[in-house]
Amino acid sequence: DAEITQSPRHKITETGRQVTLACHQTWNHNNMFWYRQDLGHGLRLIHYSYGVQDTNKGEVSDGYSVSRSNTEDLPLTLESAASSQTSVYFCASSRDRSFYEQYFGPGTRLTVT
Amino acid sequence: AQSVAQPEDQVNVAEGNPLTVKCTYSVSGNPYLFWYVQYPNRGLQFLLKYITGDNLVKGSYGFEAEFNKSQTSFHLKKPSALVSDSALYFCAVSANAGNNRKLIWGLGTSLAVNP
Repeated sequence: DAEITQSPRHKITETGRQVTLACHQTWNHNNMFWYRQDLGHGLRLIHYSYGVQDTNKGEVSDGYSVSRSNTEDLPLTLESAASSQTSVYFCASSRDRSFYEQYFGPGTRLTVT
Repeated sequence: AQSVAQPEDQVNVAEGNPLTVKCTYSVSGNPYLFWYVQYPNRGLQFLLKYITGDNLVKGSYGFEAEFNKSQTSFHLKKPSALVSDSALYFCAVSANAGNNRKLIWGLGTSLAVNP
């Protein structure tokens, strides 16, 4: 069955370190998204991609970057981790930009100490 | 500004009773509306969507939602709640944003079904 996976599931890192969170989907979807989920803020879009070599900033993109070199993967990099980036991160993919639902990964819980 | 509101942070219902989780929106153009559910320590799962057509939409796990254009609402309903329905529910609206559509998320409603 097609799926979307994230790794690691849990990560503890120190302030200032670079961290990369992996996202891999086997749906063959062109569209991929990264969100963070924080209490009181719901889901906030960090970056998204509509296809290979395409990346776009979301509403909370500062301090984060993504690259899309193939259809299956959209890694999220925290250039210099900050305590404010402690959160749960979700990757998602969808078949279409508008009509189709998004499929979510299980999430990565990141703690920055 | 385009927005989605879930006016209740928490909803409590007794098992077997009907449940309603409310969602209202403010967007330009025709909205595409979605409901997702999140169980503890899991990612979000799609429940149902409204794009066009019949205002009553049926989805997974016995849930349904009614699109009401005049009230700009898309409330999630289930005739008989189960304890296993206890979870966090998110409403989302796909709205016009230039040449693309942007997905706007509500803050979520925690549903507790009591045995």
